[in-house]
Parts: sequence; C-alpha cells; structure tokens
Amino acid sequence: GAGVSQSPSNKVTEKGKDVELRCDPISGHTALYWYRQSLGQGLEFLIYFQGNSAPDKSGLPSDRFSAERTGGSVSTLTIQRTQQEDSAVYLCASSLGGGASGNNEQFFGPGTRLTVL
Amino acid sequence: QQQVKQSPQSLIVQKGGISIINCAYENTAFDYFPWYQQFPGKGPALLIAIRPDVSEKKEGRFTISFNKSAKQFSLHIMDSQPGDSATYFCAAPSNTGKLIFGQGTTLQVKP
Repeated sequence: GAGVSQSPSNKVTEKGKDVELRCDPISGHTALYWYRQSLGQGLEFLIYFQGNSAPDKSGLPSDRFSAERTGGSVSTLTIQRTQQEDSAVYLCASSLGGGASGNNEQFFGPGTRLTVL
Repeated sequence: QQQVKQSPQSLIVQKGGISIINCAYENTAFDYFPWYQQFPGKGPALLIAIRPDVSEKKEGRFTISFNKSAKQFSLHIMDSQPGDSATYFCAAPSNTGKLIFGQGTTLQVKP
C-alpha cells in the first residue's frame, strides 16, 4: 500500500503486561514520528526518528516507553508494564524529510487503539 | 516546553455557515503552519498549510488567515457542510523544527 500502516489496529491488554505496536512508514520517508491521542485530547508527541540521527525522545512520558526503528524503515513502540493511563490511540506518521516545511508533510497511519484493563 | 493554544474545543455550526478555529503559537524560527483534519477512526490528514510570508491562503472553501505579529492563525471554513464534521488540529513548528499540535477542535455541522 501507499500509506502508513500500523498494527495491530486494536490491542487490549492487562495492567502490567508489555505491548509492542508496529508502524510501517511510506517507502522512502526518512522521518518517522509517534504520537499519543487520548480520548478527546490533542496529539501528544512521543518520539521522532530522522535518518541516522539519534532519535528525539523528549516526548516519552516515562522510562516504560521506548521505540526502535530498524533499517530506517519499520518502527516498534514498546510499552512495558502497562498502566490504565496508557490507554489511548497511538499514531505513527512519516514524512519525506525531517523538520517542519511544506516538503515534509506528515502522513499519518490509522493508529492503534490500546486499552489497558 | 512550547505550546500551541487552539480554540474553541468544540464548535457547532449550521449547514452553510462559517466555521472559525483559532490558534496561537510561541516563537519559532521555522515558517510552516499546517491544519490537519481527522475523521473518527482515522489518522489526521493534511488539510491546508501556510507560510507566514503571506497573510492568507485559500483552497476551495478553506482559508487560513495568518497574523505573524500576533503569533496567531485561524482556519475559516466557508459554506460549512455536514461532511466537514471532524476534528481539526492546527500545528506550529517548534524551535527544533518538529510540529507541535494544538488540542484539537471538534466541529459538528448540522444539516
């Protein structure tokens, strides 16, 4: 497909379990972003990968959250020891390059809805 | 931490009316200000964007008005339609270039 894909689309887990969320960006896009959207809330920045540079992890809410991007393509967001407040939609976006400009439109995936019981 | 303040949080407009959403941002060295539209169950998608070397950009029924001195910009939806019902996010570039999103505005256009 031509767009950003994410899996799973829905994930229900028990408090304390670890979860992995996957993002497949658009081919050729060097920048990849993870956001969190809680019910009725805005888009909370989590982490940003740009090419081979060190990721910008400034938005990760705690050390239970981590993300990897392998081979400059697929990314996995891992949440360890999940808590109920982690329940949200996790969105991934990719762009051709990094930085905010008209050449770097962010294309979003459909998101993964995470529910922690 | 830089913030983007968006208002109103929700908006109800009659079909054919004008919808107006406002955003205020902090200092930035970058010059790209997009608006995103999100339908339920979908990810946000770029609607329209502006560079502040112009004060207004229009695409169809959607217009961005930009006031650089006030650090404010707004989205105007003319002749609002029920199909425009969605959540709208403004965004502004941080000092490092990544986008900071507003809290979102849920628009409902009544038939």
